[in-house]
Amino acid sequence: EDQVTQSPEALRLQEGESSSLNCSYTVSGLRGLFWYRQDPGKGPEFLFTLYSAGEEKEKERLKATLTKKESFLHITAPKPEDSATYLCAVANTGGFKTIFGAGTRLFVKA
Amino acid sequence: SAVISQKPSRDICQRGTSLTIQCQVDSQVTMMFWYRQQPGQSLTLIATANQGSEATYESGFVIDKFPISRPNLTFSTLTVSNMSPEDSSIYLCSVAQGAGNNEQFFGPGTRLTVL
Repeated sequence: EDQVTQSPEALRLQEGESSSLNCSYTVSGLRGLFWYRQDPGKGPEFLFTLYSAGEEKEKERLKATLTKKESFLHITAPKPEDSATYLCAVANTGGFKTIFGAGTRLFVKA
Repeated sequence: SAVISQKPSRDICQRGTSLTIQCQVDSQVTMMFWYRQQPGQSLTLIATANQGSEATYESGFVIDKFPISRPNLTFSTLTVSNMSPEDSSIYLCSVAQGAGNNEQFFGPGTRLTVL
């Protein structure tokens, strides 16, 4: 059964303190691994899709990487506005159903 | 990316009643999805709604409880029927776009409280 586990559940950083969020996954055949950002009271906002091990994508202070078993979302020199819940999700090659992890709540203090 | 709106944004309902949630997209899309997000938890897929065919429901969700309509390529509704307090949740619609329909874009959600 496809599964996504994110860690840590919550992460508190000082502004400028770089760190990484982890997403471990098991999937029968990976069609894609996705990262989303969700602010309180809003729907998830699409960030990245990664398709194969070794792939990396960047957007501003965020960089997502992928191995055969996990993905990392690296946050470089975070700012308070980066505070949000970050969701990881996978879809297998059998269809379009997407399995979401529980998310990591990130708090960045000025 | 598609712009998605949902109505209502929130509602408080009585046990035993039904609520229909609307999802409107600003462009034509083939694949639409309905999710539930319970407080403090992640998203769970309820069903996939493709225009021209019946919705496909995930395990644990049935059409009698969550009937879905998809009359055209820009609109869908989800009804939560015979509600109980356990149905209190955020309901989200999303659409698939991008190469291979691999990117999902979400509406703002409907926050439902059942008393």
